[in-house]
Amino acid sequence: GQQVMQIPQYQHVQEGEDFTTYCNSSTTLSNIQWYKQRPGGHPVFLIQLVKSGEVKKQKRLTFQFGEAKKNSSLHITATQTTDVGTYFCASDGKLTFGQGTILTVHP
Amino acid sequence: DSGVTQTPKHLITATGQRVTLRCSPRSGDLSVYWYQQSLDQGLQFLIQYYNGEERAKGNILERFSAQQFPDLHSELNLSSLELGDSALYFCASSALASRETQYFGPGTRLLVL
Repeated sequence: GQQVMQIPQYQHVQEGEDFTTYCNSSTTLSNIQWYKQRPGGHPVFLIQLVKSGEVKKQKRLTFQFGEAKKNSSLHITATQTTDVGTYFCASDGKLTFGQGTILTVHP
Repeated sequence: DSGVTQTPKHLITATGQRVTLRCSPRSGDLSVYWYQQSLDQGLQFLIQYYNGEERAKGNILERFSAQQFPDLHSELNLSSLELGDSALYFCASSALASRETQYFGPGTRLLVL
């Protein structure tokens, strides 16, 4: 079945540093969604990318969808303690979620 | 607050037992999804219902079943529970069947002893 691999599994950064998580698929994705789950919380939808090469920004967050629609990335500029949580990518086809990247930010 | 409600919030039960988890989607949403989240398995899609009908099936065990009622609320039934079924169970809803933006409920934490 369709699998979405996400790396890294963990990322520890100092406040102010940048952070990137990557999502890779062996098959072409129709679209990709990104979610954030705060510790003890539930996943919250961040964005959906549909077009090849698409780039979308939300304040300090930049989302990219690869040209081949097989990979995606989420980049956070100048992390803050409020960015702490697990970031998931999800493919639409089979509602497959990546394992998530757990981000911790040290003040 | 996503508008999706789940009950109960916590559930403790014993192996071999059966439990029912309940979910009410956001007002107007026709699709309901069930997910299992455990420490070692991440977020696993179980099943989707759209307007009362099963729409998609994921990694749902035969011991588990679900349904969506005419008022669009959904129930996930877990039977012959095993220790490994201990997990967070999330329900999510979306407006249509095409799995666009999903809104997650707060989850039900199940502990099987």
